[in-house]
Amino acid sequence: RKEVEQDPGPFNVPEGATVAFNCTYSNSASQSFFWYRQDCRKEPKLLMSVYSSGNEDGRFTAQLNRASQYISLLIRDSKLSDSATYLCVVNVNNNNDMRFGAGTRLTVKP
Amino acid sequence: ETGVTQSPTHLIKTRGQQVTLRCSSQSGHNTVSWYQQALGQGPQFIFQYYREEENGRGNFPPRFSGLQFPNYSSELNVNALELDDSALYLCASLRAASGSGEQFFGPGTRLTVL
Repeated sequence: RKEVEQDPGPFNVPEGATVAFNCTYSNSASQSFFWYRQDCRKEPKLLMSVYSSGNEDGRFTAQLNRASQYISLLIRDSKLSDSATYLCVVNVNNNNDMRFGAGTRLTVKP
Repeated sequence: ETGVTQSPTHLIKTRGQQVTLRCSSQSGHNTVSWYQQALGQGPQFIFQYYREEENGRGNFPPRFSGLQFPNYSSELNVNALELDDSALYLCASLRAASGSGEQFFGPGTRLTVL
């Protein structure tokens, strides 16, 4: 089993749609969780951290379920500029080495 | 811009050769991680350096080695290159004491092994 697994995608949605990505992780001792965004041929950039209580940043909402070892990202009112690959990232050993999922590609269409 | 720079941008090597990739971390960041990203995959953790010492390693063979210098810049060395080493190599820096875990990535070096 991979350390971090994501929805395979791709997701193709119209502007204004709501889309959700899921991610599971295998190491129950993992301490911190993140969603990164990667545009085509660019480096990954932090989108948001994921906290146990869940957190929201504008149109983006992240949730963590430790019991199920599951993380989610919800994007509301999708914009064309949201088109990118979304990477689920888990800090597996709590020493800042991050394990990335394979990414889920999102394309938002007019 | 993240302030993390990498060189070279692109590189072409042949099987069996050796390569050195370089990374300058963001000011104030004492930790550098290296990742390999194959096409269509997420970045795979190679290793991390903290205060010039290796501080964690992923599932990569010993022919992948690294260094960190007193100014926190870092090198990734790969010996006996194989075709499967063709990938984007990313370095990321962070300030370990920040506790946020946020990493700042450089633009990457695209390595092609022929």
